[in-house]
Amino acid sequence: DQQVKQNSPSLSVQEGRISILNCDYTNSMFDYFLWYKKYPAEGPTFLISISSIKDKNEDGRFTVFLNKSAKHLSLHIVPSQPGDSAVYFCAAANSGNTPLVFGKGTRLSVIA
Amino acid sequence: DTAVSQTPKYLVTQMGNDKSIKCEQNLGHDTMYWYKQDSKKFLKIMFSYNNKELIINETVPNRFSPKSPDKAHLNLHINSLELGDSAVYFCASSHGLGSARGYEQYFGPGTRLTVT
Repeated sequence: DQQVKQNSPSLSVQEGRISILNCDYTNSMFDYFLWYKKYPAEGPTFLISISSIKDKNEDGRFTVFLNKSAKHLSLHIVPSQPGDSAVYFCAAANSGNTPLVFGKGTRLSVIA
Repeated sequence: DTAVSQTPKYLVTQMGNDKSIKCEQNLGHDTMYWYKQDSKKFLKIMFSYNNKELIINETVPNRFSPKSPDKAHLNLHINSLELGDSAVYFCASSHGLGSARGYEQYFGPGTRLTVT
């Protein structure tokens, strides 16, 4: 029973273009959402988050959009750089002291 | 200046053995976690400790026993290892759950456990 789904296992994007990573969730109690980035042989690294009271959060080249009615969030990376090549995990939680639930990840390859 | 460190990085052992994985964080966080990433790449919470007290135990077999000697350390001991225990185990830490900062977790590099 996957509560957080990342339906695209991989994505290839040209350097300089926009990367859009998608995530869907099923649990309407989730009210906090995060994106983590993971390089091979390293642990995940926190990237950006959004609370359910917002629909957009921006940090430099990274923007997360939340559509609560569709139970969908996306991560936009503009412009994409080769160093962005990694696996990106979407995660969600009910901020009432419950653990994070992670998606399976999407492998992003940015081609120079 | 590693923030969250785990030892060992790789662990190969036979079925039936008992092994431990150690985790230390120097971030001053009061909450620590163990996650398991299985062959299907799902990253799932196993345990969480807050100030040395167990707060999350996600239906993990009794063969897995976490121990937190102090809030900077959370070790994982596994008894009677089985083939299905083969996975990458990640330790993480954060400020306390219940706040937004509690979800911004810092992960260690992982321990790849292979049970033969």
